[in-house]
Amino acid sequence: GAVVSQHPSRVICKSGTSVKIECRSLDFQATTMFWYRQFPKKSLMLMATSNEGSKATYEQGVEKDKFLINHASLTLSTLTVTSAHPEDSSFYICSARPPLAGVLGAGEQFFGPGTRLTVL
Amino acid sequence: QKEVEQNSGPLSVPEGAIASLNCTYSDRGSQSFFWYRQYSGKSPELIMFIYSNGDKEDGRFTAQLNKASQYVSLLIRDSQPSDSATYLCAVLGMDSSYKLIFGSGTRLLVRP
Repeated sequence: GAVVSQHPSRVICKSGTSVKIECRSLDFQATTMFWYRQFPKKSLMLMATSNEGSKATYEQGVEKDKFLINHASLTLSTLTVTSAHPEDSSFYICSARPPLAGVLGAGEQFFGPGTRLTVL
Repeated sequence: QKEVEQNSGPLSVPEGAIASLNCTYSDRGSQSFFWYRQYSGKSPELIMFIYSNGDKEDGRFTAQLNKASQYVSLLIRDSQPSDSATYLCAVLGMDSSYKLIFGSGTRLLVRP
C-alpha cells in the first residue's frame, strides 16, 4: 500500500513553455500533498503544501504565480511550472500524507518517483 | 541553528558491519520521527518511523529515539552494498500543516 505515482517522469521543454506535473495517490486518499524540488547533491526543498479543495500554502521565496498548484481531489494534485526557464530545471518530487486516523497514520509522507525537468 | 541536523558523511562501513546514522533535532516538543532512504537520482523511500522513546526494530533496521537528548538514530545491521544511499532524518513539524522537517542527509557507503 501507500503508492504515489507521478507523471511524467522526465520532461524536456523549451524556455517559455509551461509544464504540468501530476501526482496521484493510488491506494489511499491524501488529505495533504506536498511538492518538493531537489538540485543535484542537495537537500529536499519544500515548495508548497497542498490541501484538497483549498489554496496551496507556499514556502517563503517560492513564487506562487510561477508554480501553480491545484489539488482538485483527494487523490490528485498538479504542479504547473509556468513560463519555465533554465533555472527551473530540477528534480520535482511530490509526496502524499494518508489520514492520521488510518493504520499508516503517524504523519509520514509517501513520495512519488519524481519528475526530472530540463528547460532548454 | 538548523532544526534537524545530520552529519553529511560519507559514512563508510565494510559489508556485514553495523552502520549507525545519527540525527538531532531542536524542537523539544517533537513527537514523530522518520527515516527515509534516497538512492542517487531517485525519490525518498520511507524506511521507518518512531514516536516512542526506545528502540523499534524492523528487519535489519533499528530506529532509536531519545527525546530527553533530542536524538534519533538508525542502525543498519549486516550492511550490504545495496544499502549505499543517502539517509534522511525527518521530524514532524509542530504546527497543523503536517510538514516534515528534513535533515540534509547522511551519505552511507558500504564497501564490498
